[in-house]
Amino acid sequence: AQSVTQLGSHVSVSEGALVLLRCNYSSSVPPYLFWYVQYPNQGLQLLLKYTSAATLVKGINGFEAEFKKSETSFHLTKPSAHMSDAAEYFCAVTGSSASKIIFGSGTRLSIRP
Amino acid sequence: NAGVTQTPKFQVLKTGQSMTLQCAQDMNHEYMSWYRQDPGMGLRLIHYSVGAGITDQGEVPNGYNVSRSTTEDFPLRLLSAAPSQTSVYFCASSYSQSSSGNTIYFGEGSWLTVV
Repeated sequence: AQSVTQLGSHVSVSEGALVLLRCNYSSSVPPYLFWYVQYPNQGLQLLLKYTSAATLVKGINGFEAEFKKSETSFHLTKPSAHMSDAAEYFCAVTGSSASKIIFGSGTRLSIRP
Repeated sequence: NAGVTQTPKFQVLKTGQSMTLQCAQDMNHEYMSWYRQDPGMGLRLIHYSVGAGITDQGEVPNGYNVSRSTTEDFPLRLLSAAPSQTSVYFCASSYSQSSSGNTIYFGEGSWLTVV
């Protein structure tokens, strides 16, 4: 079975500061991992995904995530936060098939001017 | 480039009423699914389909029905609405069911309130 835990339901950083959103997963098989972003009143869109190729994955809008098997983590980072990054972010892991993708409970990112 | 289209965007229902949330995709995706999003709970899978004529239950299927008569459409029916079904509903699709990390594409959501 697969599961994913996002540490921190709300993260607040200053504009220009480092963004770090934490995600830990549990999987009995090699996982595929995703980060999705949801802007207010919109659907989810893919930021990046890990599919067993390079462990450091680069996504859109300057975000990246590193797959660390030893730590069962897939944390999302961005070196310098921008006001437009304010949104909710979801980490997800596939189960036995893509139909069983499991989402974390989400982390709301706020950016302080 | 429409992607995944959901209607209606907003709906208020009275307890006991029935309704259908429509979902259509124009990407020839085999796999479609419905999720509900509730505060602090992430997205929970309601029903999914791996192709026309094939549907299956997800984590929270009670009170909902689906059908998949065509590749493009995957409507979600609420049989007798209850206040516990007040939520935001998302339809999603991807190319196939395979566990190869296919990207899932989401619609923009349907806000449903049951009073």
